[in-house]
Amino acid sequence: QQQVKQSPQSLIVQKGGIPIINCAYENTAFDYFPWYQQFPGKGPALLIAIRPDVSEKKEGRFTISFNKSAKQFSLHIMDSQPGDSATYFCAASPGGGTSYGKLTFGQGTILTVHP
Amino acid sequence: NAGVTQTPKFQVLKTGQSMTLQCAQDMNHNSMYWYRQDPGMGLRLIYYSASEGTTDKGEVPNGYNVSRLNKREFSLRLESAAPSQTSVYFCASSIRDSSYEQYFGPGTRLTVT
Repeated sequence: QQQVKQSPQSLIVQKGGIPIINCAYENTAFDYFPWYQQFPGKGPALLIAIRPDVSEKKEGRFTISFNKSAKQFSLHIMDSQPGDSATYFCAASPGGGTSYGKLTFGQGTILTVHP
Repeated sequence: NAGVTQTPKFQVLKTGQSMTLQCAQDMNHNSMYWYRQDPGMGLRLIYYSASEGTTDKGEVPNGYNVSRLNKREFSLRLESAAPSQTSVYFCASSIRDSSYEQYFGPGTRLTVT
């Protein structure tokens, strides 16, 4: 059962464009939503994360938008650069507490930014 | 400070052979994880260890075993490799549970023929 659905599978933009990657989740117990960035031959690395008490979080050129009622969240990359070309994964986890939360990943989006 | 290290980087096995993937972290993290990554499937959790001395199954545990040797080390064993286990395997760690940043190793690319 895929609890986090990510789209699109691949995305090509020109330098300066604003790619948007979308994720939808089913489990209402999720309350931590990170995005991971992965370059070829490397392990994923945390890019930005949000908790549902806010609807938007911005770090540099990267912004997460979160819609709790729709159970959707998205990543926007402003002024995209060729160096942003990578695979991006959304993920979701229940919070801490008495039950141990496990991270569920989306399927990934391969982003290519042309110069 | 090396972060999360994994050995080996590459491995080719024949069907039925066994092997152990090693993982170590030097960040004094409590939790450690093993994932597999397959095209179009994202990362799927195989096993995790919430703290030293505990291990538990993730989404795809069949065909694997794990050992949390101490706080630093978490190994993944394939007892009888199958072609369906051809994948890239990542180890990760976090200071506490999954609602904290996970730090990933560089991965092991395993091919089973």
